[in-house]
Parts: sequence; structure tokens; C-alpha cells
Amino acid sequence: AQKVTQAQTEISVVEKEDVTLDCVYETRDTTYYLFWYKQPPSGELVFLIRRNSFDEQNEISGRYSWNFQKSTSSFNFTITASQVVDSAVYFCALSEEGSWGKFQFGAGTQVVVTP
Amino acid sequence: DAGVTQSPTHLIKTRGQHVTLRCSPISGHKSVSWYQQVLGQGPQFIFQYYEKEERGRGNFPDRFSARQFPNYSSELNVNALLLGDSALYLCASSRDGNNQPQHFGDGTRLSIL
Repeated sequence: AQKVTQAQTEISVVEKEDVTLDCVYETRDTTYYLFWYKQPPSGELVFLIRRNSFDEQNEISGRYSWNFQKSTSSFNFTITASQVVDSAVYFCALSEEGSWGKFQFGAGTQVVVTP
Repeated sequence: DAGVTQSPTHLIKTRGQHVTLRCSPISGHKSVSWYQQVLGQGPQFIFQYYEKEERGRGNFPDRFSARQFPNYSSELNVNALLLGDSALYLCASSRDGNNQPQHFGDGTRLSIL
């Protein structure tokens, strides 16, 4: 069975600090996909990134970066120089090959950025 | 292009009633998935439809059902509502549903009294 664990319930930082969100997953499949989504207070889930299990290269997009390590089954997300607009709940999700639209989401991490 | 649209935005029902939630996917997207998000938790997968066929079903009772129409829009039906069905119901669409990024609507907030 697949499982996604986001151990951090809430992280509070002051603007311009860096924040790292942890995501640990479990799956028996060799082919799988990992995602990060942002859910601002308005409620809609915003897609941030997709990574497949064969691509372990780290990725950077602006102030966002992702560290994928298969050896530890982790897919961590770092926001550099945080801003108030980054305040949201962030979800990590896992999808196995052939599972179609069945995403297994973690419980989410609430990020609070104060000025 | 318009994003995923869901209706209604909010809904209040009483125990035992039934409800129908609607979703229109992004133009060109043929896959629609439904998720239930209880306050403080991550979304839980309910159904996925692709080309009007059910492709996946989560661990939800038979009171939950769904369908997809020829124009790829979808309905989620819940019968015999329970207090525990109170949640945000999210619809997501993707081009072919096979591990592609899903794009979510704003959701329908369902409250059961």
C-alpha cells in the first residue's frame, strides 16, 4: 500500500527565512510519481511540481527547490527567502504507475510566514 | 482558458438527504477525479473517470457514486448523507489521467446538519 507522511504539522517563520518541508513516502512500485501542491486560504489546490521515480535530479524554480532522494524515500521542498504570500498548506502526493488519477496525499504542512 | 469549475460553492443539507455536486474540467481534459477533504486533513481519493468510464475508486461506501458525461463534465452523488460527510469536495482534471498533474477546482463545501 502506498503512503505519504508529512511529519511537520505547522512551520512558522519570519519573512526572508528559508523553510524546508519534509515528505516521506512508501510504495512497492518501482515506477511512481511524486507531486507537491499548495493550498492557500482560498482553498484551491495549486500544482507546483511532478517528479517521476527515475529522475532524481534536484529541481529549482525561482525561490522553490525540491530534493528527491530514493535512498531515503524522501521528496523535500524548500522555499528560499520566504514571503507572506507563501503562507498556505502544502501537500505532498504520490501516484503509482497505472493508478490513474488516484493520488495519495499527505496530511499537509501549514506554513505561516509573518512580516 | 477557464480552469476547473465546480458548483455549487457551498451547500447545506440535513442527515438522510442526497446531494449532487457538479464539475466541468479544463477544456481538452478527458479525466476527472473526485476527492474529499475533511478539515485539517489531506484530500482523500473517491473516484476517477476517463472517457466516461470509471477507472478508479477509493475506499468510500456505495452511498457515493459518480458519472462522467460525453462533454467530460462530471457529477458526484452522495445518498443518505451522514454528519461525517461534511467536507470540502474537490474535483480535478487532467488530460489523460495517467499520473499527469491534476488541476483542481475551488471545491464545494458541504455541511451536514
